[in-house]
Amino acid sequence: DQQVKQNSPSLSVQEGRISILNCDYTNSMFDYFLWYKKYPAEGPTFLISISSIKDKNEDGRFTVFLNKSAKHLSLHIVPSQPGDSAVYFCAAIFPSGNTPLVFGKGTRLSVIA
Amino acid sequence: ETGVTQSPTHLIKTRGQQVTLRCSSQSGHNTVSWYQQALGQGPQFIFQYYREEENGRGNFPPRFSGLQFPNYSSELNVNALELDDSALYLCASSFLGGEQFFGPGTRLTVL
Repeated sequence: DQQVKQNSPSLSVQEGRISILNCDYTNSMFDYFLWYKKYPAEGPTFLISISSIKDKNEDGRFTVFLNKSAKHLSLHIVPSQPGDSAVYFCAAIFPSGNTPLVFGKGTRLSVIA
Repeated sequence: ETGVTQSPTHLIKTRGQQVTLRCSSQSGHNTVSWYQQALGQGPQFIFQYYREEENGRGNFPPRFSGLQFPNYSSELNVNALELDDSALYLCASSFLGGEQFFGPGTRLTVL
């Protein structure tokens, strides 16, 4: 059973507008959440993360929001740029440091010029 | 600083064969994790190696095995290949407990 869910396989957004990618999780033991970006023929690259003790983390155009009560997080990209077109994976890890990443299925973002 | 590299890039095998995939970790990293990404799915954890020992395993059968070498590079071996083993295999290196850096992956096709 999927512990990390990304229910939107794809999303199209106009350049300059906001992109919002959503992620839900089922296991309340997760304590750290990450977003990865993946271009074709490349491995996933880390984008931004958030600890379960926070509800927001911002890095330039990228902001991640965490709603623990709803077991939901979202990634906001503003303004969206054509170079942001990629597959975005939400991932979660358990406490105790050296645990594997648990990934969602990904959302393909297309930013249209 | 050299990033994570994987070889080969692509591979075609037939059912029942065996395959070995290779990963060179990033300089300074002592931990390697392997993930399988099937079409339309997110990466799924296979196992992790730390200091040449298996340090955690996901829900994969024993025909998936691995090695880590003294220079922290790693191999993933899959025996008795099945059609469902067709996937992108990703290797990620890290310093224990730290951020994982992914290689570009090996695309395996089983016919």
